[in-house]
Amino acid sequence: GAGVSQSPSNKVTEKGKDVELRCDPISGHTALYWYRQRLGQGLEFLIYFQGNSAPDKSGLPSDRFSAERTGESVSTLTIQRTQQEDSAVYLCASRQTSGGPLEQFFGPGTRLTVL
Amino acid sequence: RKEVEQDPGPFNVPEGATVAFNCTYSNSASQSFFWYRQDCRKEPKLLMSVYSSGNEDGRFTAQLNRASQYISLLIRDSKLSDSATYLCVSGDDKIIFGKGTRLHILP
Repeated sequence: GAGVSQSPSNKVTEKGKDVELRCDPISGHTALYWYRQRLGQGLEFLIYFQGNSAPDKSGLPSDRFSAERTGESVSTLTIQRTQQEDSAVYLCASRQTSGGPLEQFFGPGTRLTVL
Repeated sequence: RKEVEQDPGPFNVPEGATVAFNCTYSNSASQSFFWYRQDCRKEPKLLMSVYSSGNEDGRFTAQLNRASQYISLLIRDSKLSDSATYLCVSGDDKIIFGKGTRLHILP
């Protein structure tokens, strides 16, 4: 069956440019998460969407980062005026919140390199 | 106190040995706990859920200690293929990952 997909798989951009990363969750999963993982580091929580509730943005590192989700489907993470410290793998995960396994399923990630 | 803390390792363990990791969590209200495995340059994948009564899946055993707010993972008869980073996860809505424990199984 279809898993979580992310695009692009790799993105190289110049410092100061804006980038948009996309996540397609598993159909029927009401919760969607974005994490950042720098090289050799752990997963850093960024933002969490649950249905129509206001998202938990407590992990976004600065106002250059924003994310949107359309209903219970696609989400986009936007980074404005990228900096070199934004270079990382950005992982998206989705999960059910009732009636089945509650674990997260991850996409393959988008590897962002800011030159 | 960090929300989820793990010993980063690395743990270098000979093949066939038993190895155990602990992880502490700060939110006493958390109800959901998991262990994930992450291979180099791959996304994390679920290894096992951690239930209050503890659970076992083949060579892997997970335990939850609510009084001390830690979860554990025991790997018996370790294989070379067990080499990976093991991530401790806590949370019900906002799900937080530990930074991971690196395990190297030595031939």
